[in-house]
Amino acid sequence: ETGVTQSPTHLIKTRGQQVTLRCSSQSGHNTVSWYQQALGQGPQFIFQYYREEENGRGNFPPRFSGLQFPNYSSELNVNALELDDSALYLCASSLVKANTGELFFGEGSRLTVL
Amino acid sequence: SQQGEEDPQALSIQEGENATMNCSYKTSINNLQWYRQNSGRGLVHLILIRSNEREKHSGRLRVTLDTSKKSSSLLITASRAADTASYFCATDDGNNRLAFGKGNQVVVIP
Repeated sequence: ETGVTQSPTHLIKTRGQQVTLRCSSQSGHNTVSWYQQALGQGPQFIFQYYREEENGRGNFPPRFSGLQFPNYSSELNVNALELDDSALYLCASSLVKANTGELFFGEGSRLTVL
Repeated sequence: SQQGEEDPQALSIQEGENATMNCSYKTSINNLQWYRQNSGRGLVHLILIRSNEREKHSGRLRVTLDTSKKSSSLLITASRAADTASYFCATDDGNNRLAFGKGNQVVVIP
């Protein structure tokens, strides 16, 4: 148990729809990162939020957006869904400047786009 | 961006044997981490080695880092059936933003 919870665990959408995924960080962690993991691949960094501001972004289009709330929970929004968006979406929390470097991952939200 | 790449991709061993996985990367790093993932679930942090360290141990795990060759290895000694999982290396740019490799699938046969 990492203390990071994600919802929903599974969901199915159709192409062109929008989706919102949610993440509750481990207590005391001020940074949340989102990763996309396609089947058989390693996770790919989407973006990171620190103190409610985006703090780095990977090679993902603007239709991938996020939010971090004052309680450090977070949302990932994806608009205009495409078939290739089907993946496991992982949220990870950490404490920046703790100098430990370790990320604590949730169990993920598996998105299927039909 | 940095990218860890593991070798070999799949490994099948008998319980009690050792399992070794390698990882290479392309740019300078702050640290390198190894994670384990069971059947498409969340990733679990195993061990972190900093760029100024050469070897690190944690229980049955041993990690080495060669920054001149931009490579790392993970050794699991005396493997158990519960070690069956996918193992990923990931490089950290110093801001907790990780670049993962494609992973090694390890199957430990009882």
